Amino acid sequence: GIQVEQSPPDLILQEGANSTLRCNFSDSVNNLQWFHQNPWGQLINLFYIPSGTKQNGRLSATTVATERYSLLYISSSQTTDSGVYFCAVSGGSYIPTFGRGTSLIVHP
Amino acid sequence: ETGVTQTPRHLVMGMTNKKSLKCEQHLGHNAMYWYKQSAKKPLELMFVYNFKEQTENNSVPSRFSPECPNSSHLFLHLHTLQPEDSALYLCASSPGRGGREQYFGPGTRLTVT
Repeated sequence: GIQVEQSPPDLILQEGANSTLRCNFSDSVNNLQWFHQNPWGQLINLFYIPSGTKQNGRLSATTVATERYSLLYISSSQTTDSGVYFCAVSGGSYIPTFGRGTSLIVHP
Repeated sequence: ETGVTQTPRHLVMGMTNKKSLKCEQHLGHNAMYWYKQSAKKPLELMFVYNFKEQTENNSVPSRFSPECPNSSHLFLHLHTLQPEDSALYLCASSPGRGGREQYFGPGTRLTVT
């Protein structure tokens, strides 16, 4: 199956800082999503982005499918951005595979 | 609110008990998924149903028994679980097995004593 690697595994920021999270995958994909898991365990959809660039407020994402990576940008981080960010992909088999996540802590 | 609900939210059960987890989606999707999330581990896909038919069983022990009576409801029947089965169990749905966007429920936090 497709291998998914996320980096960094842990990230600590001061409120107001910017950050970039990376997701590398080992094969071509048909689907790619970014999620934020809040402290209560709920996975919140951020982006569905198998290719291209999207923006939603302070968040944006870019997927370069030919080079097998996706980036999630968080600007002007807030304490509510804390949590774990997951990248999930699926390829020809349509079996979703999740990365291990990036754990983000934003300090006030 | 993602349109996917799960009950119960918390469950404590003994190793000899039988219990069921329920998931319901109000999004008109055709595919539903069960995931297990253990502490410090990535999400593990357990089962996939597409149009009520099971399409994936990711080598899950038989003490976990899924049921999908229709495209809106998914159950996970539990019996003779082990303490290592304690985890967050997440349900998701998507428009089809081809994926597109998955939407997740809030999860059931299961503790096996």
